[in-house]
Amino acid sequence: TQLLEQSPQFLSIQEGENLTVYCNSSSVFSSLQWYRQEPGEGPVLLVTVVTGGEVKKLKRLTFQFGDARKDSSLHITAAQPGDTGLYLCAGMRGSYIPTFGRGTSLIVHP
Amino acid sequence: DAGVIQSPRHEVTEMGQEVTLRCKLISGHNSLFWYRQTMMRGLELLIYFNNNVPIDDSGMPEDRFSAKMPNASFSTLKIQPSEPRDSAVYFCAPNEGALRGYTFGSGTRLTVV
Repeated sequence: TQLLEQSPQFLSIQEGENLTVYCNSSSVFSSLQWYRQEPGEGPVLLVTVVTGGEVKKLKRLTFQFGDARKDSSLHITAAQPGDTGLYLCAGMRGSYIPTFGRGTSLIVHP
Repeated sequence: DAGVIQSPRHEVTEMGQEVTLRCKLISGHNSLFWYRQTMMRGLELLIYFNNNVPIDDSGMPEDRFSAKMPNASFSTLKIQPSEPRDSAVYFCAPNEGALRGYTFGSGTRLTVV
């Protein structure tokens, strides 16, 4: 059983479309991170959210941490081919050891 | 990220052989994670070092796996003997704190045939 469930597992869209990916858990996290991973590389941190209900924006990416700090979402507006990659969420429960979801694989077609 | 250098980038070995994966931390850090990534299971924590001492090795699959962190700049993960099910991408990342996030190396892709 995966502690963090990400959905959808795969997403294939056209350039310019909007999308939302989700990260859900029954556990409460002290903080949650989103990473993007490109083929042949390690995950790269996009954002860390700490406060329940927190919303952070990074250009066309909007991250939200659930009020109860059990879930999070990532919304991309007007997706571009450069957004293609594996999006991973990682939760911390007090310790500094992050637990990762399996990720959402996004392909944005030109 | 240039701060974490993993070698080799790719390793193909035969079942039963010993494999050593290396992780170099350019800036030095006394706290480090080793993760393994597969399609089926995603990113799994193998071992966590703090002050160069293994704190949590509950993710190490079995006695065939061992890891060391002799100093703040270097760590190794050894598999002996290797098996096909060990095929995966192995990552190391220094622990820079939950708020700063984690900087992963580019990984070592291991294929055991």
